Amino acid sequence: GENVEQHPSTLSVQEGDSAVIKCTYSDSASNYFPWYKQELGKGPQLIIDIRSNVGEKKDQRIAVTLNKTAKHFSLHITETQPEDSAVYFCAAKTGTALIFGKGTTLSVSS
Amino acid sequence: GAVVSQHPSRVICKSGTSVKIECRSLDFQATTMFWYRQFPKKSLMLMATSNEGSKATYEQGVEKDKFLINHASLTLSTLTVTSAHPEDSSFYICSANLEAGTDTQYFGPGTRLTVL
Repeated sequence: GENVEQHPSTLSVQEGDSAVIKCTYSDSASNYFPWYKQELGKGPQLIIDIRSNVGEKKDQRIAVTLNKTAKHFSLHITETQPEDSAVYFCAAKTGTALIFGKGTTLSVSS
Repeated sequence: GAVVSQHPSRVICKSGTSVKIECRSLDFQATTMFWYRQFPKKSLMLMATSNEGSKATYEQGVEKDKFLINHASLTLSTLTVTSAHPEDSSFYICSANLEAGTDTQYFGPGTRLTVL
């Protein structure tokens, strides 16, 4: 089955810096890759997603890149702000199920 | 984005009792809903896929007789934890696809279950 690896597990940056989180997946049939942001005690919130026929997608300060050949995808957050602090999960969709990475705790200090 | 609600947000129960958690899609019809479990500082683990009008599909290792799922309408799925024990204490989260056959899943706010 699908396996999603996510790195790093924790990431600390200064306000205004960029943050990059990377994920790899194992199933070449996976075709949809969302990123979720989860704040403490809340459900995950979809922040951006990308499909396998696209290499890059951007939404304001957030961008995602996908390398199908290498089977990895990355989340890029520019000009980080303290409110970006949260746990971020990547996921890969195989069949109907989303398989999640283990999460990255992002801390943005002002 | 689409809104998915859950009720209750948190519940405390005694060991041996049953607890029902509701998941509702508020502004769309969801033919498929998903139930996840999340332990503290851990990732989301898919428990089952709930399809309106049919039996849920459970992931390997999830006891279907313990975690009863009902998806009686296009806007409501319920998860009942039967004969709850302290090890069932967890954060339970549901999600739904905005449209049938689409990829995007929207998550509810989660339900914190504590079994004493």
